[in-house]
Amino acid sequence: ETGVTQTPRHLVMGMTNKKSLKCEQHLGHNAMYWYKQSAKKPLELMFVYNFKEQTENNSVPSRFSPECPNSSHLFLHLHTLQPEDSALYLCASSQPLGPLTYEQYFGPGTRLTVT
Amino acid sequence: EDQVTQSPEALRLQEGESSSLNCSYTVSGLRGLFWYRQDPGKGPEFLFTLYSAGEEKEKERLKATLTKKESFLHITAPKPEDSATYLCAVQDQDSNYQLIWGAGTKLIIKP
Repeated sequence: ETGVTQTPRHLVMGMTNKKSLKCEQHLGHNAMYWYKQSAKKPLELMFVYNFKEQTENNSVPSRFSPECPNSSHLFLHLHTLQPEDSALYLCASSQPLGPLTYEQYFGPGTRLTVT
Repeated sequence: EDQVTQSPEALRLQEGESSSLNCSYTVSGLRGLFWYRQDPGKGPEFLFTLYSAGEEKEKERLKATLTKKESFLHITAPKPEDSATYLCAVQDQDSNYQLIWGAGTKLIIKP
């Protein structure tokens, strides 16, 4: 595997379900991100981790719970979601946060549908 | 307030017809401007980073330029495989990770 991988690619869940999204990066990066992408809207940053430590929680509802066990893996735990949470969830990674500017590399995304 | 606006929202061109996409931005100080390409059902693919006004970068049929208020992505003699949504994002000097994203320009190249 190369780059950033995400599983599953598609997920349909009811509002009472609990599910998890998984992201793995093979780029040797130390920063990882979760984004939400809704149709015709800019990407929304949800969470940022730097060396496994959470740096940002962008006012995300508690029904989304991130977990970063190491610099290569990132999870997004989902529970009691709402239909408006249906979107493409993207994982990204980059060199560590700091004074230098680094591009982010994205996975293919998980298309989530909440019924 | 930091803001990024991309125009047009959609652009249809004939194969070989050159054009430009625009990304206008408002930030207190620019740390970097990024261009990405996104194909349907896929994540954004990194294209370029620009850091200061006057800078230019090229990759195949794409050329990105930067001024103090906007960036252009010039597409020369495009091919159908250049069809995608092109995203622009900026990083303010006061943040070491937060990107402000535009809504994208959907480019369609007809053979």
